Amino acid sequence: AQSVTQLGSHVSVSEGALVLLRCNYSSSVPPYLFWYVQYPNQGLQLLLKYTTGATLVKGINGFEAEFKKSETSFHLTKPSAHMSDAAEYFCAVSDYDMRFGAGTRLTVKP
Amino acid sequence: NAGVTQTPKFQVLKTGQSMTLQCAQDMNHEYMSWYRQDPGMGLRLIHYSVGAGITDQGEVPNGYNVSRSTTEDFPLRLLSAAPSQTSVYFCASRPTRTANTEAFFGQGTRLTVV
Repeated sequence: AQSVTQLGSHVSVSEGALVLLRCNYSSSVPPYLFWYVQYPNQGLQLLLKYTTGATLVKGINGFEAEFKKSETSFHLTKPSAHMSDAAEYFCAVSDYDMRFGAGTRLTVKP
Repeated sequence: NAGVTQTPKFQVLKTGQSMTLQCAQDMNHEYMSWYRQDPGMGLRLIHYSVGAGITDQGEVPNGYNVSRSTTEDFPLRLLSAAPSQTSVYFCASRPTRTANTEAFFGQGTRLTVV
């Protein structure tokens, strides 16, 4: 079965610094990959997804992710963190069903 | 533009009680699913449905029942609640059970079993 592993349950950055959230996947077939964000006491919201085509995917709120098949990775980045980016982020892989990583909580320090 | 609606938002149950978590979507999606979210474990799939009258088990189905009588509704039933079922529950829908379709989530139900 397909799975994802998120490296780091907590990441803390200063406002204006680079955000890097790591995700590695395991899949025997070309994967479909997603990043979701969860703000406190809310449901999950799609940030971006990779299905086919361009390996650099741009999403909402300035986030992007790059699919690297050779590294089985789909890391999420943002050049400059804002206070409003503080949330929990989930990487997911989909075959018929969607399977999620354990999540990474992002803290942004002023 | 409601999307996926879950009720209630919060619930406290005593061990052994039963209850139903409601989920409705207005996007005419074929695929609906229930997840539970626990700290450090992400979201785990409980049950899913690919259409009215069709349901199947996910990763953690024990202690939960589902049914799908209409396209719109997908309730989750706890027949005899246990403290281990304390969690946040999310309902999600997708247009179809196709790998490249995104999931749309409800706001969640925070359940505490005492």
